[in-house]
Amino acid sequence: AQKITQTQPGMFVQEKEAVTLDCTYDTSDPSYGLFWYKQPSSGEMIFLIYQGSYDQQNATEGRYSLNFQKARKSANLVISASQLGDSAMYFCAMRDSGGSNYKLTFGKGTLLTVNP
Amino acid sequence: DGGITQSPKYLFRKEGQNVTLSCEQNLNHDAMYWYRQDPGQGLRLIYYSQIVNDFQKGDIAEGYSVSREKKESFPLTVTSAQKNPTAFYLCASSINRHNSPLHFGNGTRLTVT
Repeated sequence: AQKITQTQPGMFVQEKEAVTLDCTYDTSDPSYGLFWYKQPSSGEMIFLIYQGSYDQQNATEGRYSLNFQKARKSANLVISASQLGDSAMYFCAMRDSGGSNYKLTFGKGTLLTVNP
Repeated sequence: DGGITQSPKYLFRKEGQNVTLSCEQNLNHDAMYWYRQDPGQGLRLIYYSQIVNDFQKGDIAEGYSVSREKKESFPLTVTSAQKNPTAFYLCASSINRHNSPLHFGNGTRLTVT
């Protein structure tokens, strides 16, 4: 069974600084994908970034990058130059190859607060 | 614009009543999903469907039912058998490909009293 762990219930960061949100995962499948989502207080889920288990390089999307350490089974999200609008819940999720199963399993999330 | 529409945004029901949450997508995605979110919890999978006329139980399917008669629609019924139905419900869809992200609707907040 796959499992996602986000150990930081809440994080604070000053505007314009970088912040790292932790995510560790557990799977015995060699083929899997890791996703990060942002959920503002409005409730919508916004896809941020994807990392495949066979990708050679860490994924980046604008101010978002993924620090992927396969041996440690961690996929931490790094947000650079934090903005007030980055304040939200952040969820890490995983999909393994599981046959033809395409469902995502989510962690419990980290609430990020960006201070001015 | 393509997207996923969940309706209504807020729903109130009396205990003992069944209630159906609507989810429609025009993204031409094969797969659709229902997740439940409670305060302090992540998203937990209720049901998912990878093709029309087929669906699978997720981790917390008890007290819920779904149908997938059309590719665009995946309604969720919260039955009276669900012991704690008050929650935020999110519908999502995706392409059946392992690197494909889920696209989410804006959610329905159900309150049962």
